[in-house]
Amino acid sequence: EIVLTQSPGTLSLSPGERATFSCRASQSVSSNNLAWYQQKPGQAPRLLISGASSRATGIPDRFSGSGSGTDFTLTISRLEPEDFAVYSCQQYGSTPPTFGLGTKVEVK
Amino acid sequence: EAPLLESGGGLVQPGGSLRLACAASGFSFSSHGMSWVRQAPGKGLEWLSSISDSGGETFYADSVKGRFTISRDNSKNTLFLQMNSLRVEDTAVYYCAKIGRRGFWYFDYWGQGTLVTVSS
Repeated sequence: EIVLTQSPGTLSLSPGERATFSCRASQSVSSNNLAWYQQKPGQAPRLLISGASSRATGIPDRFSGSGSGTDFTLTISRLEPEDFAVYSCQQYGSTPPTFGLGTKVEVK
Repeated sequence: EAPLLESGGGLVQPGGSLRLACAASGFSFSSHGMSWVRQAPGKGLEWLSSISDSGGETFYADSVKGRFTISRDNSKNTLFLQMNSLRVEDTAVYYCAKIGRRGFWYFDYWGQGTLVTVSS
């Protein structure tokens, strides 16, 4: 199965700053079938991005995804207070679908 | 109104069984594949099982194959997960999730989760 490694484990940033999350796959992700989720404590994950770069319905354009093959990035252009959460990547290009362990964005 | 609502979690002894349910609303349930995903305390998400829109195809993670069974009742817009031979390491929040697009197993809607605790 494909192992996804996310870095860093924690990001300490201030509102208004740019956040960049990395997701590296142990092997190439077929057709860039990679998604990003946001999860807040006690809540379900929320789909942000699918297909590596397509924003889900209702997701603000400050969220963007990029990358291909084994290296993917999620960027939040300017952090809003509600963006402090855990961000996880997931590949669905091969079975089983797998998730990274997540990157936590905390207030600096 | 949340489109997915899980129920059936609780405390169970090792070796015991539980049946989770997920009630769907607000979308055409019978037109979409569905999945179960879990998250152990302090851990990442783990895909467990998926089922096709008709229920005719099912898929399982190795960690639960032979112990868990996914099923659905499209007449009642409900997804199920029958969990047998539960282990301590099955302790987690269990989410049902709607598959985003046929053949593409990303998840565009999630329930709020139900906690399963396996302990003696």
